[in-house]
Amino acid sequence: KAGVTQTPRYLIKTRGQQVTLSCSPISGHRSVSWYQQTPGQGLQFLFEYFSETQRNKGNFPGRFSGRQFSNSRSEMNVSTLELGDSALYLCASSWVKGVGTYEQYFGPGTRLTVT
Amino acid sequence: DQQVKQNSPSLSVQEGRISILNCDYTNSMFDYFLWYKKYPAEGPTFLISISSIKDKNEDGRFTVFLNKSAKHLSLHIVPSQPGDSAVYFCAASASYSGGGADGLTFGKGTHLIIQP
Repeated sequence: KAGVTQTPRYLIKTRGQQVTLSCSPISGHRSVSWYQQTPGQGLQFLFEYFSETQRNKGNFPGRFSGRQFSNSRSEMNVSTLELGDSALYLCASSWVKGVGTYEQYFGPGTRLTVT
Repeated sequence: DQQVKQNSPSLSVQEGRISILNCDYTNSMFDYFLWYKKYPAEGPTFLISISSIKDKNEDGRFTVFLNKSAKHLSLHIVPSQPGDSAVYFCAASASYSGGGADGLTFGKGTHLIIQP
């Protein structure tokens, strides 16, 4: 089974621009989550989508948004980019495997650099 | 306020011995716990998980122990191999009644170094 895929892998943008990142979950997984990883803050949860609905949201400004399509693929958008948005953005898909079993798998990430 | 803490930034273990990585949490609502291995510039690799209805889960060389009363979990790797050298993250989540789970809250990681 193919893993979580993310595109693009690397991106360089200028401050003030916007960016859209894409994620395809593992086949059959309906939940997609997004995380930001920076050296200072570590891995932080952005939001989670399930069946095209945002089910959960972390503590990030409204410039960070996302959506999920009917095939479970998800996109994340960051508007009005700031230098501090430079980070590795990770997508994860998850499933409840059985009673008492939950697994979440990550993609390789998109490295965003804002100049 | 760090809800998931990995108090050892690094750990050095000899090849063939047991590696024990520790994690503490403060949120009593957490009921799923996961361990990940991560290399720089890559996504975390899922290793093993445990729910609060269990106190132990094994998968090959990896065993996770959960002590709910102490709000503590540990990952045991036996025997340790050179390829195990990486940063290990502990993560926790609270479940939904509908069967899903909240976003993961991660610890800061422990850098495991396996020495030959």
